[in-house]
This record gives sequence, C-alpha cells and structure tokens, in this order.
Amino acid sequence: EAGVTQSPTHLIKTRGQQATLRCSPISGHTSVYWYQQALGLGLQFLLWYDEGEERNRGNFPPRFSGRQFPNYSSELNVNALELEDSALYLCASTRLGGELFFGEGSRLTVL
Amino acid sequence: DAKTTQPPSMDCAEGRAANLPCNHSTISGNEYVYWYRQIHSQGPQYIIHGLKNNETNEMASLIITEDRKSSTLILPHATLRDTAVYYCIVSAAKNTGNQFYFGTGTSLTVIP
Repeated sequence: EAGVTQSPTHLIKTRGQQATLRCSPISGHTSVYWYQQALGLGLQFLLWYDEGEERNRGNFPPRFSGRQFPNYSSELNVNALELEDSALYLCASTRLGGELFFGEGSRLTVL
Repeated sequence: DAKTTQPPSMDCAEGRAANLPCNHSTISGNEYVYWYRQIHSQGPQYIIHGLKNNETNEMASLIITEDRKSSTLILPHATLRDTAVYYCIVSAAKNTGNQFYFGTGTSLTVIP
C-alpha cells in the first residue's frame, strides 16, 4: 500500500512569490492535515481538511490557504512568501478517528 | 495548542529500556494519548496510543496512570535507531475527526 506522498521534495522561492505544495493521502483516507516545522522546532498545526471541506486551521495568516480535491488529495498554497516561511511542510492523512500517517515533507526555502 | 508537557531531552544507554514521560493533566475523558516519533526531519511515525488501559505493540509499551494525568512510553531495549524526537499528544477520536496538536517533544539520544 502506498504511503502519503508529497511533492515537491524541495522548493526554492524568493520573497513575495507564491508556493504550492501537494499531498496525496493513503488510499481510503479522507482527512488531510498540514503542519509547518521550522528548523529545530516542533510541528505547528496549519490546516485540516476532510471530505473536501476545511475543518479547522491553526494560528497562521490568511496567505496560508489550501484545498482538498474530490479524490482527497490536497494542496497548500502560501502567498506573498516571507523569509520566515522557510520550513519543512508535512502532510498527514487519516481515516476519521484514526491515527495520522505522515509523508516525508516538502522543504520550502525562501530567499 | 499542545496539551502535554515533556522533558526536552533524555539519554538512554543502548540495550536498556527508555522511559519517556508525558504530563497531560487537563486530559478529557474522551481523549486518547498518542505517541509519535520523528527521526532527523523525516515525517513523524506513529508508535502507539491508548485511552486508559496499558497498551503494548511491537514497537513500545504505553503506561497510563489511573487518573490519566500522565503516561510513560517505554522502549524496552533501545537501539541507536531509536534516537529521535518523541511527541506525546492527546486527542479525542471522534467520528468528526481528531485534532492533533504537537508540542516540542523529547529528544531521545541512545548512547552506544
């Protein structure tokens, strides 16, 4: 069974640009979670999608947004990039009420 | 926000049991205790979870106190590959989905 896949693995952008990160959940999982992990820090909750709807979002500005598609894959968009957005972005999927399964992450570097 | 408190770091000798504590004094009756670990900026890996009974699987054991205000993750025979950051999380498993808030975890170093 394929695990959670994320793309791209690495992404380099400059300040003010937009970044789009993608996540494909495990087959049968309907929920997708996004987390930001800055270097040396813990995971900060960003967004939670289930059945195509945004269920909750963490304490992040509106320039962090996303969506979930009918096939349950998800996209995270970060607009107007700032230097402090440089981080590892982790996606996780789950069936409702189950544990999270994580992808290997997308490392975003903002120059 | 994270509802758990963990020591920032711990050491353990290879081959010995690693006991990682977690305080969750505000845990609600319907909230489970989950443990994950993250090895060197890879995606976190699920280890184990429990509600109020002690649990054991092929990776670890989870001991939850009777009042459920704290728990201990036990790696029975730590190896160098167990060096990682370990996260303790409380979350309610509901049909509407879970909220998983990670704290800063415990950085476990297994020493040869």
